[in-house]
Amino acid sequence: GAVVSQHPSWVICKSGTSVKIECRSLDFQATTMFWYRQFPKQSLMLMATSNEGSKATYEQGVEKDKFLINHASLTLSTLTVTSAHPEDSSFYICSARSISLYGYTFGSGTRLTVV
Amino acid sequence: RKEVEQDPGPFNVPEGATVAFNCTYSNSASQSFFWYRQDCRKEPKLLMSVYSSGNEDGRFTAQLNRASQYISLLIRDSKLSDSATYLCVARPNTDKLIFGTGTRLQVFP
Repeated sequence: GAVVSQHPSWVICKSGTSVKIECRSLDFQATTMFWYRQFPKQSLMLMATSNEGSKATYEQGVEKDKFLINHASLTLSTLTVTSAHPEDSSFYICSARSISLYGYTFGSGTRLTVV
Repeated sequence: RKEVEQDPGPFNVPEGATVAFNCTYSNSASQSFFWYRQDCRKEPKLLMSVYSSGNEDGRFTAQLNRASQYISLLIRDSKLSDSATYLCVARPNTDKLIFGTGTRLQVFP
């Protein structure tokens, strides 16, 4: 079945540094990538939607200059958390959609801890 | 008001019990509905879609009531392996998925 490989699975970084999270679709073309964030005991909150080759569309309240999303190819999308702060510590998950496949394929998630 | 609301639980039930989860959604334009299962610190996995006529998949039964904007999931003969968080999900007339906060289920021996 369709697989999205997400890396890293966990990362610890110092406050003020930037962290890049990658999601690769391994056997299909991800025309749309959704990026979610999940705080403990809370729901997955959609941060942004990106279509290949276009600028991402951010949800209300999500800072586009802080969470940089790139979707330059049909198999790779990245989320960069810039100048990370402890309040950015969370579980980040990507979800891919393809015009050729039914449903959504989730990455395995990245647990970010900012110290 | 949240777009998709669920009772967070936890629901603690013995093996073999039947348990039901409810969910309400606020966007009447929502077209598709799903139940996902999420294990601790893992990505959500699709459990089943929810159809207006109701649908069953083994021990799991999902129901949708569009008039009341209400969705349910029934699990029969609970297994220890059913312990997880169950996420109610709505999809409006876009590609976005809107997740509920989830209902935690703990099945004990």
